[in-house]
Amino acid sequence: SQKIEQNSEALNIQEGKTATLTCNYTNYSPAYLQWYRQDPGRGPVFLLLIRENEKEKRKERLKVTFDTTLKQSLFHITASQPADSATYLCALDRGGYNKLIFGAGTRLAVHP
Amino acid sequence: DARVTQTPRHKVTEMGQEVTMRCQPILGHNTVFWYRQTMMQGLELLAYFRNRAPLDDSGMPKDRFSAEMPDATLATLKIQPSEPRDSAVYFCASGLPVGDNEQFFGPGTRLTVL
Repeated sequence: SQKIEQNSEALNIQEGKTATLTCNYTNYSPAYLQWYRQDPGRGPVFLLLIRENEKEKRKERLKVTFDTTLKQSLFHITASQPADSATYLCALDRGGYNKLIFGAGTRLAVHP
Repeated sequence: DARVTQTPRHKVTEMGQEVTMRCQPILGHNTVFWYRQTMMQGLELLAYFRNRAPLDDSGMPKDRFSAEMPDATLATLKIQPSEPRDSAVYFCASGLPVGDNEQFFGPGTRLTVL
């Protein structure tokens, strides 16, 4: 069955550093992959989408890579700020109609 | 600014009671999703609709859960009878299957079944 793995342990980094989060998947070849941010007590918020034929996507301080051979996506936040502290979820297209399967998420804590 | 709304935000009920959760998708969005989030299972898709028609509810326990869209501005998720294992946060999301296929999530309904 399809499986998505994200770092289960929280990632703690110092303000100003680059945070790198990993999303690995098996038994599937998604047409695209998305990253969402979730704050405590709130619903996920969409950040970026990257398609299977794209290697890299950027948006302001965010960068996402997608390696379909390794079946892995990396999510980078450069010049991190305490306000970036949240849980980050990766989600894979399950085929048609926006249907997604989500990873468990990685909690990021950026310390001043 | 357009948002997905959900009611109630919190619900505490006793085992065996019926629970109905409501969602108002963003006007113009033609896909609506129901998710359940728990610490153990993460975010799981329960059901989704396109143009008000149910396309997939394979993630939902059929014997007790039902999802409907009586009209384009309202989606409902009903649990009857509720059980303690249904305790979770239930999210509704809506979207358009174009561009980045972004899903817009509501604030969730936190359900506790005693």
